[in-house]
Amino acid sequence: AQTVTQSQPEMSVQEAETVTLSCTYDTSESDYYLFWYKQPPSRQMILVIRQEAYKQQNATENRFSVNFQKAAKSFSLKISDSQLGDAAMYFCAYRTAYSGAGSYQLTFGKGTKLSVIP
Amino acid sequence: NAGVTQTPKFRVLKTGQSMTLLCAQDMNHEYMYWYRQDPGMGLRLIHYSVGEGTTAKGEVPDGYNVSRLKKQNFLLGLESAAPSQTSVYFCASNHRQASDFQPQHFGDGTRLSIL
Repeated sequence: AQTVTQSQPEMSVQEAETVTLSCTYDTSESDYYLFWYKQPPSRQMILVIRQEAYKQQNATENRFSVNFQKAAKSFSLKISDSQLGDAAMYFCAYRTAYSGAGSYQLTFGKGTKLSVIP
Repeated sequence: NAGVTQTPKFRVLKTGQSMTLLCAQDMNHEYMYWYRQDPGMGLRLIHYSVGEGTTAKGEVPDGYNVSRLKKQNFLLGLESAAPSQTSVYFCASNHRQASDFQPQHFGDGTRLSIL
């Protein structure tokens, strides 16, 4: 079974600064997908960024980028130019790419609560 | 543009009562999921369904039952609610194709308190 570990329960960043959230995972599969979800106080689950394991290039979405290290099984999220609206809980998640798995359920980490200081 | 809709959004139950949470999606997704979110635990999979009439257990299925009689609906039932089932429940769905890594679409959650 796959596991996802987020070792930072809480983090804070000054507005306009850069912050990196850590995520490690354990799997025996070679092909899979990784996601970062944002959950603001409204409780919505918002997809921030996604990465395909077989792609070497790190994914980027505007101010959000990832550092994907497949051999180290590490998938960190970097938020540049932090804004007050970035304050939220962030979840790292894993999903198999194997079509015979039966479903595409997500395995989540426990989350990192990010505070943004004005 | 409804997406995934969960009903109700909030509910308070007494221990031993039963209830059903409804999840409806209008995206013609084959796969649907129920997760629960507890403080410090992230989201954990309760049950899932890969199509109409089929369901399967996830990581934490005890105390819950599910049904998928129609493709667009996925029901989560608590037959005899317990305080340990106090949680926020999320429904999610996605398409079946593996060639494109379909992200899961989430509902807005149901906050359930068992007294």
